Amino acid sequence: DAGVIQSPRHEVTEMGQEVTLRCKPISGHNSLFWYRQTMMRGLELLIYFNNNVPIDDSGMPEDRFSAKMPNASFSTLKIQPSEPRDSAVYFCASSLGEGDTQYFGPGTRLTVL
Amino acid sequence: KQEVTQIPAALSVPEGENLVLNCSFTDSAIYNLQWFRQDPGKGLTSLLLIQSSQREQTSGRLNASLDKSSGRSTLYIAASQPGDSATYLCAVGYSGNTPLVFGKGTRLSVIA
Repeated sequence: DAGVIQSPRHEVTEMGQEVTLRCKPISGHNSLFWYRQTMMRGLELLIYFNNNVPIDDSGMPEDRFSAKMPNASFSTLKIQPSEPRDSAVYFCASSLGEGDTQYFGPGTRLTVL
Repeated sequence: KQEVTQIPAALSVPEGENLVLNCSFTDSAIYNLQWFRQDPGKGLTSLLLIQSSQREQTSGRLNASLDKSSGRSTLYIAASQPGDSATYLCAVGYSGNTPLVFGKGTRLSVIA
């Protein structure tokens, strides 16, 4: 299996622009997680899905952030409008079931100028 | 709010030394605990997963222990090598298939 796939790997954009991050989980996994990593705050959950249904989005910073999972093999995280403080590495992870290991993608490094 | 703490934040050791990384968590009602490795600019690689009913897990030169009652886990690395240099992250799960709560990691440097 190719593992969790994220695109793009790097994104540089200007403040106010819309940013869309993409994730393809491991085939057969039924849970998907979006995390954000910064130097100051470490790794923090943004939102997660079980069987394509959003379960907990309490980690989403503001209404500027939204996430979708239209099917079992694809998810997006959108930031509109983007701000410099959104600059971070965004990770997607998936797992097979309860108590299973979470497998992480390589991350998307976002820089908002 | 669940908190996961890792001490030390950074560690430098000579090659060949055995070492221990520490992780503590505030709520002992955990479901499982994972140790990850992160290389600079890379994603996270899962090293070991310990379920709440287990006391330890081993993989090669790595051994992770779990003491739920005291809210602690340790990652033991035997005969360290320069290739072990990375950031090691501890993460706790509090129920079935739910997000992990991460510590901020220990940055390990193994000097040849």
